[in-house]
Amino acid sequence: QVQLQESGPGLVKPSQTLFLTCTVSGGSISSGSQYWSWTRQPAGKGLEWVGRIYTSGSTNYNPSLKSRVTISVDTSKNQFSLKLSSVTAADTAVYYCAREWWSGNFDLWGQGTLVTVSS
Amino acid sequence: QSALTQPASVSGSPGQSITISCTGTSSDVGSYNLVSWYQQHPGKAPKVMIYEGSKRPSGVSNRFSGSKSGNTASLTISGLQAEDEADYYCCSYAGSSTYVVFGGGTKLTVL
Repeated sequence: QVQLQESGPGLVKPSQTLFLTCTVSGGSISSGSQYWSWTRQPAGKGLEWVGRIYTSGSTNYNPSLKSRVTISVDTSKNQFSLKLSSVTAADTAVYYCAREWWSGNFDLWGQGTLVTVSS
Repeated sequence: QSALTQPASVSGSPGQSITISCTGTSSDVGSYNLVSWYQQHPGKAPKVMIYEGSKRPSGVSNRFSGSKSGNTASLTISGLQAEDEADYYCCSYAGSSTYVVFGGGTKLTVL
């Protein structure tokens, strides 16, 4: 079955760019009508949707993060990626990648990866 | 501050029923029947329990049900079991500029 796995640095310095990759296994990232999304969760806090990319390559972002976020897809590697620029301590969180359907149903999630922003 | 409002905590005894509310606005919950609910155990990824307001994914117990009235969606868990103790989050589609909003989460304690 389809599985998702996040990867990337666990520590990023303030003002630098966070870069994470989600590898999709067990199925093609470009098949179907789903979105591939990123959601984050600061320690002890709730979920915050970051953004998503459709199989066509079109993107949607959380308005509060839009100026700093870029989500892209590499179909040859069956991966999609998150880039978050000018990070601060407030961006410290567990970042999850997920499969999202048009109805807002996030039916598959990665295990999550902790990213800490600190000098 | 989260876009959708949930109670911080609810509790119930085994076998009882509980309901978790999720209050939004006419721009999200009130306008679309696209609320989903997620269960999250400590240190684990969220798991979808209800989608499109009241649909249950395959494998999710029929003890979980969803409904909506106006700007408020609700998740009801009947026949509470110890394994239901977790955090629960609601999520709604919020139109073509905001897209997706989550609630702040509710901690369910099974007494």
